[in-house]
Amino acid sequence: DAKTTQPTSMDCAEGRAANLPCNHSTISGNEYVYWYRQIHSQGPQYIIHGLKNNETNEMASLIITEDRKSSTLILPHATLRDTAVYYCIVRLGAQKLVFGQGTRLTINP
Amino acid sequence: EPEVTQTPSHQVTQMGQEVILRCVPISNHLYFYWYRQILGQKVEFLVSFYNNEISEKSEIFDDQFSVERPDGSNFTLKIRSTKLEDSAMYFCASSYRGRTEAFFGQGTRLTVV
Repeated sequence: DAKTTQPTSMDCAEGRAANLPCNHSTISGNEYVYWYRQIHSQGPQYIIHGLKNNETNEMASLIITEDRKSSTLILPHATLRDTAVYYCIVRLGAQKLVFGQGTRLTINP
Repeated sequence: EPEVTQTPSHQVTQMGQEVILRCVPISNHLYFYWYRQILGQKVEFLVSFYNNEISEKSEIFDDQFSVERPDGSNFTLKIRSTKLEDSAMYFCASSYRGRTEAFFGQGTRLTVV
């Protein structure tokens, strides 16, 4: 089973930052936090991942708390195309990705 | 940008027939995966493949399923005798190393009638 907890749904206004929380209180020291999203029924799209430090790439930023028990995915300037289901996944090494229900993010005009 | 390619995008088959779903992973990737998603449900792991052998499989991946990398570019999922409950989106994914991010294809929608 997925080892993360996410809100079922969230809304965000277009142009604003979307902050998606994830709880992973049982994460172990070597487990990474991965974020994927799925737009409609398309294939899951990789967004970002991290271990301890905050990470940023062209899509998003990942903020991981110091105790690593939670994290936040930040989409800095959300657009309508960011409407999707976002999955927070904890993964050890080469393990399979275990998808939960994710957060359904709706970007409103 | 390199991408994982899956064919066909949609396959309709009769119950009991064999189907082969095809995937072309990203060219320098070494790890290959199949996932599926029944309509309205979660994405589920089926199997991972590395160094020409299965490295992990789920309970879903029973004797009716098999995977193959017949040449240097294709990765296939075969379902020997399809059932109605095999109807789903099937996603192929690949990663350079097991510890790195996996990239997914756009999926094949399998409909068993």
